[in-house]
Amino acid sequence: GNSVTQMEGPVTLSEEAFLTINCTYTATGYPSLFWYVQYPGEGLQLLLKATKADDKGSNKGFEATYRKETTSFHLEKGSVQVSDSAVYFCALKRNTGTASKLTFGTGTRLQVTL
Amino acid sequence: DGGITQSPKYLFRKEGQNVTLSCEQNLNHDAMYWYRQDPGQGLRLIYYSQIVNDFQKGDIAEGYSVSREKKESFPLTVTSAQKNPTAFYLCASSRSGTSGARGGQETQYFGPGTRLLVL
Repeated sequence: GNSVTQMEGPVTLSEEAFLTINCTYTATGYPSLFWYVQYPGEGLQLLLKATKADDKGSNKGFEATYRKETTSFHLEKGSVQVSDSAVYFCALKRNTGTASKLTFGTGTRLQVTL
Repeated sequence: DGGITQSPKYLFRKEGQNVTLSCEQNLNHDAMYWYRQDPGQGLRLIYYSQIVNDFQKGDIAEGYSVSREKKESFPLTVTSAQKNPTAFYLCASSRSGTSGARGGQETQYFGPGTRLLVL
């Protein structure tokens, strides 16, 4: 079946450090891939997405490239800020019959300190 | 302002009581979804609706019920049959809920969530 695996957190970084959060997936066919971010006590916000192999999604300094050969969609940012502290979820869109549904990873908590 | 609203922000349930969580969207989206989030876990799909007057069970539908009488509304009822209801509940919507939808149509947008606690 379809699944998403994320690196375990928490990830603790100093401000301006480089960030990588690993995400790998198992899926049939060609899923679309997403990164969502959740700030404390809030719902999820779409951070970026990629709909086909080799696509790069980017937003707010974050990037992720859809790598079909390694079934990965790692999230990166060159210089993190304290305001980036949140939980990050990797997800894939799966097709079941006529429906389109998301499968989520367990989330990775990022904590950025001064 | 377009968006998804959920109410209440916090909800308390007594043993044996049914409670209903509200979800409203003014994005003119066809599809709506309910997820449950437990600490340290990802989101799990409870129910989804691709179109008005139609809905399907997700991965963990037992103990829950929904209705979709209006395009903009998708309320979730947590029944007394749900033995472990304490969780954070998230509603989402997308322009299309059908497979094959790509680009902006398939992207799901989330509400702020309702935290349900058992007294």
